[in-house]
Amino acid sequence: GAGVSQSPSNKVTEKGKDVELRCDPISGHTALYWYRQSLGQGLEFLIYFQGNSAPDKSGLPSDRFSAERTGGSVSTLTIQRTQQEDSAVYLCATRQGGTDTQYFGPGTRLTVL
Amino acid sequence: AQSVTQLDSQVPVFEEAPVELRCNYSSSVSVYLFWYVQYPNQGLQLLLKYLSGSTLVKGINGFEAEFNKSQTSFHLRKPSVHISDTAEYFCAVSSDYKLSFGAGTTVTVRA
Repeated sequence: GAGVSQSPSNKVTEKGKDVELRCDPISGHTALYWYRQSLGQGLEFLIYFQGNSAPDKSGLPSDRFSAERTGGSVSTLTIQRTQQEDSAVYLCATRQGGTDTQYFGPGTRLTVL
Repeated sequence: AQSVTQLDSQVPVFEEAPVELRCNYSSSVSVYLFWYVQYPNQGLQLLLKYLSGSTLVKGINGFEAEFNKSQTSFHLRKPSVHISDTAEYFCAVSSDYKLSFGAGTTVTVRA
């Protein structure tokens, strides 16, 4: 597709369950980011993949959060043992190498009951 | 470290009136600055960006912003708003290719 896509658009889960959120980047974009948007914390950087380099995980809030990017394309953000404070919109963004602009997907709204 | 302050959390404005959204940043190094807009239940869309060169930057939908290095500001303006400009607006600074966002400004345009 022409833009960044994310799935699912909405996810409701029970506290303690694991969830996986998916991001499909714009074709050819080598950099991929995950951000979290929540009422209390605003927009926060989580993790950044650039090509084959080791990811920048400096924004991950706890070891329950992890992400991978297979083949330099699709990325999955995994949250283990979800907590109510994990409820937020998770946004994926991608960027073409050598440029400065990030393009955002529509987000996944996660609700932890 | 970089931080971004958006001075107004909510801005109500009448249709066809001008609007200014204020953004200040702190950084010890040169920065790239961005404004994004988020319409209800959508992702972020780039309005405009400042990388270098002219300090007056024009973006989409009639928006423009002015980079002021001495005041560390990057205020967003539109001379005449439409109902469709109702949205949340985020100022962001980029360092090491990562974005740090302000808290956002909600613009509500009324007829």
